[in-house]
Amino acid sequence: GQQLNQSPQSMFIQEGEDVSMNCTSSSIFNTWLWYKQDPGEGPVLLIALYKAGELTSNGRLTAQFGITRKDSFLNISASIPSDVGIYFCAVPAPDGGGFKTIFGAGTRLFVKA
Amino acid sequence: KAGVTQTPRYLIKTRGQQVTLSCSPISGHRSVSWYQQTPGQGLQFLFEYFSETQRNKGNFPGRFSGRQFSNSRSEMNVSTLELGDSALYLCASSLGRVRETQYFGPGTRLLVL
Repeated sequence: GQQLNQSPQSMFIQEGEDVSMNCTSSSIFNTWLWYKQDPGEGPVLLIALYKAGELTSNGRLTAQFGITRKDSFLNISASIPSDVGIYFCAVPAPDGGGFKTIFGAGTRLFVKA
Repeated sequence: KAGVTQTPRYLIKTRGQQVTLSCSPISGHRSVSWYQQTPGQGLQFLFEYFSETQRNKGNFPGRFSGRQFSNSRSEMNVSTLELGDSALYLCASSLGRVRETQYFGPGTRLLVL
C-alpha cells in the first residue's frame, strides 16, 4: 500500500544547530504536510505544501515539496529546546468516498541545551 | 474557536472488556477521523465520518467501530479488548475535503491489562 519513508528516525543535536529531515514515497501526492507532536498531545500542523517545487517557511521552519511530487523535506534553523518532539510528514490521500491521512514513522528530535 | 476535544484522556481496561471514546470536533467541521498511534506501528488510520456516514475505513478488525451524531460529535468503540489495543487514540476534524487541514485532539491513552 501507500507508504512514506521518513528519515532519520531520531536526531540528537545541540541547541543552535540546524536540522534537516525528509520524507519519500514511491507514489505521487498533491499535498505534503508536516506535523509536530509534543509528548501527551496530538499532532499539530506546522506547514502545508500544495504545489510541486513549493518552498514554504513558518518562522524557523522551512519545508519544500519535491519536484517529482514524491518527496518533501523539513528544515529547522537555530534549534531551541522547545523544538523537542516528534515530527511527522503526512499526505492526505483520497480513499473511498472520503480521504485519509497517511503518516511517516516520524523523526524524534532531541535538543541539548 | 475551541479545538478538538477528546474524552476521557486516560483509560485503563482489562482484556475482554469494551470501551467507548468520544470526540467533539471544531465547530463547523463535519468530518471526523480516528487514528491509532502505537510505538511499533505509528499513526494508523481507523475510519472517517462525514455527516453521520462512514466514508472510509482502515485495515482494522470489526471490533473497532464508530459513529457520528448529527452535531458531528463522534464516538469510537472497541469491543473484546486485547492487550495490543493499548495505544493513543487520536481524533481529527476538518471541513471534509482532501486539502482541508485536519486538526487533532490531544488523544485518549488506552491501557489494556
